[in-house]
Amino acid sequence: SAVISQKPSRDICQRGTSLTIQCQVDSQVTMMFWYRQQPGQSLTLIATANQGSEATYESGFVIDKFPISRPNLTFSTLTVSNMSPEDSSIYLCSVAPGTGEDTQYFGPGTRLTVL
Amino acid sequence: EDQVTQSPEALRLQEGESSSLNCSYTVSGLRGLFWYRQDPGKGPEFLFTLYSAGEEKEKERLKATLTKKESFLHITAPKPEDSATYLCAVQENSNYQLIWGAGTKLIIKP
Repeated sequence: SAVISQKPSRDICQRGTSLTIQCQVDSQVTMMFWYRQQPGQSLTLIATANQGSEATYESGFVIDKFPISRPNLTFSTLTVSNMSPEDSSIYLCSVAPGTGEDTQYFGPGTRLTVL
Repeated sequence: EDQVTQSPEALRLQEGESSSLNCSYTVSGLRGLFWYRQDPGKGPEFLFTLYSAGEEKEKERLKATLTKKESFLHITAPKPEDSATYLCAVQENSNYQLIWGAGTKLIIKP
C-alpha cells in the first residue's frame, strides 16, 4: 500500500477565488487520480494525472476549471478555480502503485466549503 | 451500460447481529472488484480486492465473496466501530478507471 497525505485538510473559501490542493505520496507511483465527492454522494473521477504527460479529464470536467500538475512520481496538485458554492465537496487524491496491483489507495481528503 | 448497484442503501443492526451487504455489477469483462470502508469526512480505506468468481477474502469480522454477477460483504458479530459507509467499485479489463456504487451506510447500535 501507499501512505498519502493531502493539504489542506479543509478550507472555507470565498466565491470567485481559487484553491490549490496538494497530494503527497510516500513512494513513487505511476498513476494518480483526483476525485470529487459531493455530500451524500459516491465518488466522481475528475481526472487522471500521469507524470510527464497532460492530465486526462473526465466528461464534465475541464482543465481551465481544474488545472492539475504532476511534476514527479510522488506529488500532484489540483486547483479548483473561480469557485462557486457548487464546488463545495470533498476532494480526494488516490494512487495506483502500478506494480501489477490494480488497487487504488486514497488520501484523507480535502473538505472544501465555498461561501 | 456498465454499472454497479449496492444494496441496501442503509442498514441498521444491533451489535453482534450478523448480516451481508450486496454489490451487483454489470461490466463487459471484470478485471477486479474492490471494497472500501469510508468514515464521515475521511477518504475511503481499502478493504479487499477480488478478481475471479469463487474468490473469498477475510479481515477480522469482514468476509468478501465474488460471483460472476455480484459480491457480498459479510459482517459477522459487528461492533459499533464497524459503523461506516461501505463502497464497492469495479474495474473493467483494459481500463484503469473504477466504476463506483453509491455505497451502503452501516450503523451498528450498541
